[in-house]
Amino acid sequence: DSGVTQTPKHLITATGQRVTLRCSPRSGDLSVYWYQQSLDQGLQFLIQYYNGEERAKGNILERFSAQQFPDLHSELNLSSLELGDSALYFCASSVGGRVDYEQYFGPGTRLTVT
Amino acid sequence: KNEVEQSPQNLTAQEGEFITINCSYSVGISALHWLQQHPGGGIVSLFMLSSGKKKHGRLIATINIQEKHSSLHITASHPRDSAVYICAVNYPRGGADGLTFGKGTHLIIQP
Repeated sequence: DSGVTQTPKHLITATGQRVTLRCSPRSGDLSVYWYQQSLDQGLQFLIQYYNGEERAKGNILERFSAQQFPDLHSELNLSSLELGDSALYFCASSVGGRVDYEQYFGPGTRLTVT
Repeated sequence: KNEVEQSPQNLTAQEGEFITINCSYSVGISALHWLQQHPGGGIVSLFMLSSGKKKHGRLIATINIQEKHSSLHITASHPRDSAVYICAVNYPRGGADGLTFGKGTHLIIQP
């Protein structure tokens, strides 16, 4: 158990809908990263927050957004969902804001868009 | 485009064999991560390296900064080591940045 929690575990929704994925980092970790894992693209970095502020942006679509709240939990919002958004979404947390800190991964949320 | 190349893509070995998985990257980095993903999907961080060598139990990770290459070794392999092993690096782009991932090596250890 990494200490990182993600909810929900599974989500099935229809095209065009909007969903919110939630991540709680390990106690004491200030950084949250969001990743997408799909069969064709593999693992991709989406976005990072550090202590409430956006720190780095990767291949995140404009239809997706995220935020980190004062209690350090983070939410990833996916809107106008398309079939291709079906994937595993992981969050990870680390103590520091740089990528040379070890990251601890949550169990993931499996999103299926039908 | 900055990429991470892993080899082999697939590896099947017998229990007890010494396993080596390789990772190459194209430009200077400040951190390389080795991750393990089990069939259930969960990801575990095995190592974070910026230089030299690290060992944890039967796992050893090395990095050669000059050659832009890292290896993950498993000694006395066991069926429970069967998993996907993923190499990831950060390509610095002005400060904090995210990881770029290899496609993974699917390892099966047969009893």
